[in-house]
Amino acid sequence: QVQLVESGGGEVQPGRSLRLSCAASGFTFSSHAIHWVRQAPGKGLEWVAVISYDGSDKYYADSVKGRFTISRDNSKNTVYLQMNSLRDEDTAVYYCAREGIMYYCDFWGQGTLVTVSS
Amino acid sequence: DIVMTQSPDSLAVSLGERATINCRSSQSVLYSSDNKNYLAWYQQKPGQPPKLLIYWASTRESGVPNRFSGSGSGTDFTLTISSLQAEDVAVYYCHQYYSTPRSFGQGTKLEIK
Repeated sequence: QVQLVESGGGEVQPGRSLRLSCAASGFTFSSHAIHWVRQAPGKGLEWVAVISYDGSDKYYADSVKGRFTISRDNSKNTVYLQMNSLRDEDTAVYYCAREGIMYYCDFWGQGTLVTVSS
Repeated sequence: DIVMTQSPDSLAVSLGERATINCRSSQSVLYSSDNKNYLAWYQQKPGQPPKLLIYWASTRESGVPNRFSGSGSGTDFTLTISSLQAEDVAVYYCHQYYSTPRSFGQGTKLEIK
């Protein structure tokens, strides 16, 4: 069955960096775009970034553009989110989600918590 | 960028009664070339990731009970739960996948009255 497992979250000081991973299984990973969506504590869902199936196209929310970088390694069935210059407002659960063949996100991981705090 | 606005922010409905959640997009999410509305609904229960309920504005995902239905076109959409069950208590989000950046509504918290 389709599985997405996020890892790499934790507590970090403002200005520091963190790299999240999203490991996929149960489907042909190299055929699907992958999104990152985050949710601050007690808040709604915020779209963060997307990478195309082959890594050639990447898009970011304005709130993270220039600080976050999305990448993928199709040989490892893994997508990464490199987060630099972290701010308090980046504190959230970060979910990765698979984009289905018809463009909507159909499967989500359980999420990994990132806490930015001094 | 497309802004998604849901109403109400919270809703309390008696068991067995109908629940209706509205979603409005700041611009049309109807793609003229395929006549499809690029609008999805998700359900999120505490401590869980979002779960896909509806896509193309009105198509139920496999396994989703038929008491859930979606309607609307262009900029105005509705999620209806025909007969509320206890397990439907959750936060519901609409989401447009018409354009990047993608966006979600702010969420509607559904509770039992």
